[in-house]
Amino acid sequence: GESVGLHLPTLSVQEGDNSIINCAYSNSASDYFIWYKQESGKGPQFIIDIRSNMDKRQGQRVTVLLNKTVKHLSLQIAATQPGDSAVYFCAENPFTGGGNKLTFGTGTQLKVEL
Amino acid sequence: DGGITQSPKYLFRKEGQNVTLSCEQNLNHDAMYWYRQDPGQGLRLIYYSQIVNDFQKGDIAEGYSVSREKKESFPLTVTSAQKNPTAFYLCASGPVSNQPQHFGDGTRLSIL
Repeated sequence: GESVGLHLPTLSVQEGDNSIINCAYSNSASDYFIWYKQESGKGPQFIIDIRSNMDKRQGQRVTVLLNKTVKHLSLQIAATQPGDSAVYFCAENPFTGGGNKLTFGTGTQLKVEL
Repeated sequence: DGGITQSPKYLFRKEGQNVTLSCEQNLNHDAMYWYRQDPGQGLRLIYYSQIVNDFQKGDIAEGYSVSREKKESFPLTVTSAQKNPTAFYLCASGPVSNQPQHFGDGTRLSIL
């Protein structure tokens, strides 16, 4: 079946460095993608989203890149801070003719070292 | 403040017992969702509802039931038929169209 997966389960970065979290998706019909941040014991928090008619979108210190040719999604965090330590999930919405069902990846643990 | 409230935060179930997890939202969202999260894993969809009095099974609906009598509320019942209920349960809501889902802070269910 279709799936969303991540290349790296754990990513360690130094404080102040840039972080890049990658995600591969297999459903070429997916038209909407989201990145979430989840801290321990809490629910996922929305970070940024992108639609399939775009290849880049920027937020505050975060950028999402979408490469539809190779079905790849990435989240870039600039000047990574200790508060960025969390698990990051990508999610996709395969086109099903309506609705907003999301398929989630397994997550990447980001660890920020001081 | 607008948001999603899940209760209780921790819940314990005895063998053969049904338990109900509460989820309330005041974001005026049409759609609501229940996910299960196991340690070190992603979220798996249990049930979802796009409109009041209607809901659909997700990928792992067996052993669970839901109701959607009000727009604001989407309770999840974990029945005795669910043989491995220990997990972190997350409720979300969102518009029906491609927009972010907003999550509550979860209920952690354990077996006594």
